Amino acid sequence: ETGVTQTPRHLVMGMTNKKSLKCEQHLGHNAMYWYKQSAKKPLELMFVYSLEERVENNSVPSRFSPECPNSSHLFLHLHTLQPEDSALYLCASSPRSVSGELFFGEGSRLTVL
Amino acid sequence: KQEVTQIPAALSVPEGENLVLNCSFTDSAIYNLQWFRQDPGKGLTSLLLIQSSQREQTSGRLNASLDKSSGRSTLYIAASQPGDSATYLCAPLGDYKLSFGAGTTVTVRA
Repeated sequence: ETGVTQTPRHLVMGMTNKKSLKCEQHLGHNAMYWYKQSAKKPLELMFVYSLEERVENNSVPSRFSPECPNSSHLFLHLHTLQPEDSALYLCASSPRSVSGELFFGEGSRLTVL
Repeated sequence: KQEVTQIPAALSVPEGENLVLNCSFTDSAIYNLQWFRQDPGKGLTSLLLIQSSQREQTSGRLNASLDKSSGRSTLYIAASQPGDSATYLCAPLGDYKLSFGAGTTVTVRA
């Protein structure tokens, strides 16, 4: 248990569906992150939020829409995804966004049909 | 853009052997470097964090070194056990971002 909880752990959706991934951290951290891990590829940073403000958007397609309503919660809203978006989506948090140690959740395994 | 290379890509050893995992990165302007472990289909577990001002960090059977100027870090795992089988990821942190290598997949044979 790292203190970062992701739900759902597994999600299957069609290309026309709209779904959301949720991340919650119980560590009192100020920064939260979304990473994507595809098969045989290094982890890719998608978004960074520091004190609920988005500080990084790493050229991610608009079909992925993040939301950070408070410093403990982070969402990734998904709509009109493509099969190549199937991957493990990992949430992480850190005490601060620049030099803090990162703690990851267990991930949400997404399959797009 | 930070490029991270981990060598070897895969490693298989008998139980009890010491492991040496290498990581190199191109941009030495980093705040710290983290080593993670990932089991199949799971999230990342932080093993060690080395601050940029440190040369070494130890936790139990794990020891990580950092040579920031040459862009290198090495993770040593002493007296390996089958439970050490996993993928090990190196991630230097700079400018908000952790950049990840592709990892070294370790198999420890009983």
